[in-house]
Amino acid sequence: QLQLQESGPGLVKPSETLSLTCTVSGGPISSSSSYWGWIRQPPGKGLEWIGSIYYSGSTHYNPSLKSRVTIYVDTSKNHFYLKLSSVTAADTAMYYCARHWALRYLDYWGQGTLVTVSS
Amino acid sequence: EIVLTQSPATLSLSPGERATLSCRASQSVDNYLAWYQQKPGQAPRLLIYDASNRATGIPARFSGSGSGTDFTLTISSLEPEDFAVYYCQQRSNWYTFGQGTKLEIK
Repeated sequence: QLQLQESGPGLVKPSETLSLTCTVSGGPISSSSSYWGWIRQPPGKGLEWIGSIYYSGSTHYNPSLKSRVTIYVDTSKNHFYLKLSSVTAADTAMYYCARHWALRYLDYWGQGTLVTVSS
Repeated sequence: EIVLTQSPATLSLSPGERATLSCRASQSVDNYLAWYQQKPGQAPRLLIYDASNRATGIPARFSGSGSGTDFTLTISSLEPEDFAVYYCQQRSNWYTFGQGTKLEIK
């Protein structure tokens, strides 16, 4: 059974860079057709797709966040990562990682990690 | 950007009743629509993909229909564990979600 787990700082200062890690277990991150995505959810609000990556390094980003987002993968560790630069309070959210199967739908999710942007 | 509008915002029903949730797209998304269920403190769970296909392990009481711009998620007979927030999501043009429908116990 595929499992995903997010990790990283729960508090980030405004203007700094948010950095999160997603650890994939129960299967290889290099599995065919498996893309890996980041999704966020501000408190009490809806879901927003941030971006997705294939094990080869090919990336797809939400156009509204593209200038601030970097997603990369380390197949040797079965990890993928999110960096979001120049954060503001509007970036405060629960951040989820998920398998984005064939870039079609999100079928396995981590439990999420809450990141608060505050000085 | 394709905007998904879900209705109603809140649906109050009793266990055993039938639930009908709607998702309308601002332009055609063909059948590229998924439904997710989210319970408090949990990650979303995939229910339906490509408008009408149940994901692995999803009970048969959940069904999806529609194409183009109008989609429906139906729960034929509500179980206590079905009360949650439901989101639709399109993959026709990038990936966007609806704002959610909260299904609450009446």
